Amino acid sequence: SAVISQKPSRDICQRGTSLTIQCQVDSQVTMMFWYRQQPGQSLTLIATANQGSEATYESGFVIDKFPISRPNLTFSTLTVSNMSPEDSSIYLCSAGTSWDEQFFGPGTRLTVL
Amino acid sequence: QKEVEQNSGPLSVPEGAIASLNCTYSDRGSQSFFWYRQYSGKSPELIMSIYSNGDKEDGRFTAQLNKASQYVSLLIRDSQPSDSATYLCAVSGGSYIPTFGRGTSLIVHP
Repeated sequence: SAVISQKPSRDICQRGTSLTIQCQVDSQVTMMFWYRQQPGQSLTLIATANQGSEATYESGFVIDKFPISRPNLTFSTLTVSNMSPEDSSIYLCSAGTSWDEQFFGPGTRLTVL
Repeated sequence: QKEVEQNSGPLSVPEGAIASLNCTYSDRGSQSFFWYRQYSGKSPELIMSIYSNGDKEDGRFTAQLNKASQYVSLLIRDSQPSDSATYLCAVSGGSYIPTFGRGTSLIVHP
């Protein structure tokens, strides 16, 4: 299994600003994903972070709002841009060496005022 | 659209009982099935995976898969208060990214 860390663990941000969340894996992994989880809800996939190329976004999520980088096989960032209170959520990074199993980071709890 | 359905619960069972959690899915091509446990305020943790019809046991946990009926279940024997959490079912097929259900909240009371 992979050990995944995220920074920051939580943040409170003002409307209109941007926040970049970092995800670090302790070993090289093929797949890295970014999810959002609203309180009491299940996981919503935002995008697949592709190493060396543009991320693949799910329906309802766009690059201008959630730019993602993945410069190598162990690291990725997600930026939440031009934030509004509706972006308040927990953002989770997950990673795995195959499509079939994913391990999650501890999450970033974001509050937008 | 691929769907994964779970009863949101809460499912309340007494300590020592068997907790039975169920999940149905819509895509007949699904090949991989996972159960995650998520404690309140924590991230999901993979506890079981199953790929073939039948039962798979790991300690107090048993995953059951019936592809013909398109359901997968998780049994927790000798339930403990520490098992109280939300259990997420996830399903994937081939190169598909797993689709998660909304989760079932389990409460094990002393």
